[in-house]
This record gives sequence, structure tokens and C-alpha cells, in this order.
Amino acid sequence: EIVMTQSPATLSVSPGERATLSCRASQSVSSNLAWYQQKPGQAPRLLIYGASTRATGIPARFSGSGSGTEFTLTISSLQSEDFAVYYCQQYNNWPKFGPGTKVAIK
Amino acid sequence: EVQLVESGGALVQPGRSLRLSCAASGFTFDDYAMHWVRQAPGKGLEWVSGISWNSGIIDYADSVRGRFTISRDNGKNSLYLQMNSLRTEDTALYYCVKTLTTVVPPQRSPLDYWGQGTLVTVSS
Repeated sequence: EIVMTQSPATLSVSPGERATLSCRASQSVSSNLAWYQQKPGQAPRLLIYGASTRATGIPARFSGSGSGTEFTLTISSLQSEDFAVYYCQQYNNWPKFGPGTKVAIK
Repeated sequence: EVQLVESGGALVQPGRSLRLSCAASGFTFDDYAMHWVRQAPGKGLEWVSGISWNSGIIDYADSVRGRFTISRDNGKNSLYLQMNSLRTEDTALYYCVKTLTTVVPPQRSPLDYWGQGTLVTVSS
């Protein structure tokens, strides 16, 4: 069974700053890794798939990297609407989500 | 526009059953695998079950295997989740979710559209 972990649990960032979120898989998932954003009271939204491909309509300030077991989501310059919880999910096999990283206003 | 509308959530007692439905529109339903994902209050996302476009591939999370049954009716553009022997730990918002790609098995695609969810509360 693949276990997904994310760090940090909470990231406090000022608007305009760069945010770097990490995701780790307990075994290789190749590039079958997605990132989702969830705001309070809303359903998750697909941001990144294939570890680095932005989903339709996702701004260029969001970027993903990594392969195998180590992945990173970078938000280059945080906007007010980016404060949310971010989940990684592997789809190398049946879906498993990480516990999430909350990006909070510093 | 893709729309996924869940229904059927309710307050039920432990041990009882419930059937969730998801009405899909805005895309060719029978081209895509579908999933149910749940989120307990204040918690993270947990995959529950997935089904291929033709119901030929189905799987469940260990936490629900043997109690929940996923199904679909492509003629009605609908996805279902039959939930039996409900437990307090099944309390969650249940999302109906569409896969992004059509040509891979359901377990090998990211999830691109999510409904707004239907709330299941299991309590005596």
C-alpha cells in the first residue's frame, strides 16, 4: 500500500511571496501525481497532473515538479485567492491522497 | 459545462443503509471512469471507490470493502454508491468525481471534476 505524506502541515506565507509544498510517496509512483486545491466550503480543484502539467485554466504561478517518490508544488507569488489547503494524490494505482498542507496568511 | 450533482445524503443510525446518487451532465458520461471520494468533517480526502466506464473494473478502499457497492447506469448518466452496515466513522461529505482521461484504467487517471458533495451523517 502506497502512503502519501506532505510537509509542512501548515505553511505561513505573506502575499507576494513564494510557497513551496512537498509531497512524498512511500514507493515510486512515476509521474502519476496530482495536486488539488481546496478552499473552505468548496470541492477540491485539480491544479497539476502528471507531476508537472497544469490543468485547464490554472495560472502559470502554479508549477509542479518531481518524479518517483519526491514531488514539489510551487506557487511563485502568492495571491489572496491562493490561501487554501493543498492535497497531493498518486494515481499510479487506486487513488491515495496526502494529508494536506494548509497555506495560511502570515 | 460539466456538472456532477450528488444526492441521497442523510442522517442515519449505525447499521442502516443509504444509497447515494450522482447525476452527470455536460460530458459523454460513458467515456469516463468515475469515483467516490469522501471527506470527514474537518479532515482530509479519502478515496472510497472507483468504477471504469463499462463497470468492468471496480475497487474499494479497505475501510468500506464488503459494505459499499459502486455502480453506474450509462443510459441515465448516473453513478451510485450503495452503503450498507453504516458506521459512525462513515460520517462524511461524499463527492462524485470524474476522471480526466478516457483511455486508461480508472486507477490511472487524475480526477478533474468534483461535485459539491452530499453529507452522510451516521449517528444514533
